Amino acid sequence: QKEVEQNSGPLSVPEGAIASLNCTYSDRGSQSFFWYRQYSGKSPELIMFIYSNGDKEDGRFTAQLNKASQYVSLLIRDSQPSDSATYLCAVKWGYQKVTFGIGTKLQVIP
Amino acid sequence: GAVVSQHPSWVICKSGTSVKIECRSLDFQATTMFWYRQFPKQSLMLMATSNEGSKATYEQGVEKDKFLINHASLTLSTLTVTSAHPEDSSFYICSARESEQFFGPGTRLTVL
Repeated sequence: QKEVEQNSGPLSVPEGAIASLNCTYSDRGSQSFFWYRQYSGKSPELIMFIYSNGDKEDGRFTAQLNKASQYVSLLIRDSQPSDSATYLCAVKWGYQKVTFGIGTKLQVIP
Repeated sequence: GAVVSQHPSWVICKSGTSVKIECRSLDFQATTMFWYRQFPKQSLMLMATSNEGSKATYEQGVEKDKFLINHASLTLSTLTVTSAHPEDSSFYICSARESEQFFGPGTRLTVL
């Protein structure tokens, strides 16, 4: 059973702060890692993907991957109330197999 | 990113009836599409992998005779929930993949 673990939250941060979302995975052979944002009642929206160890930045978002520790994180700088959503970590393993975490609910307080 | 559409966006039906949900890739061809189900406050659970021109691959515990999948073209996959019951009420989401998965907007099914 491939597992992806996330703290369900809620994680509350003040507007303008950095939000740090974390995810661990069980399959050491996993190659691709994704972060999705899901607003209540909506389907997930891909916001970041990362394949290599290190950091990947896209605007206010930075994905960090540490394969040795089987850990992937998402940093959101200058958090905005519109960032309030559930963030799903997804890990691809094997051929076309993707496992999703339960998601972390983020609340950005104005 | 790629665009995936779903229809209908919501449906309410009586117990025992069948409901068909369509998933379309609008700007790319998808030989493979995926069907997920999400119950409230739970994560996405993969139900089945839909393969164009061949039988779908179902995940363990998903009844293939209850959740019929047809992937007749490179841009359309359908999921039919047969003899729906209240416990089938859920948010059904399809996705298609180029290099990353792109999700459709989802279909909220309520079975009375």
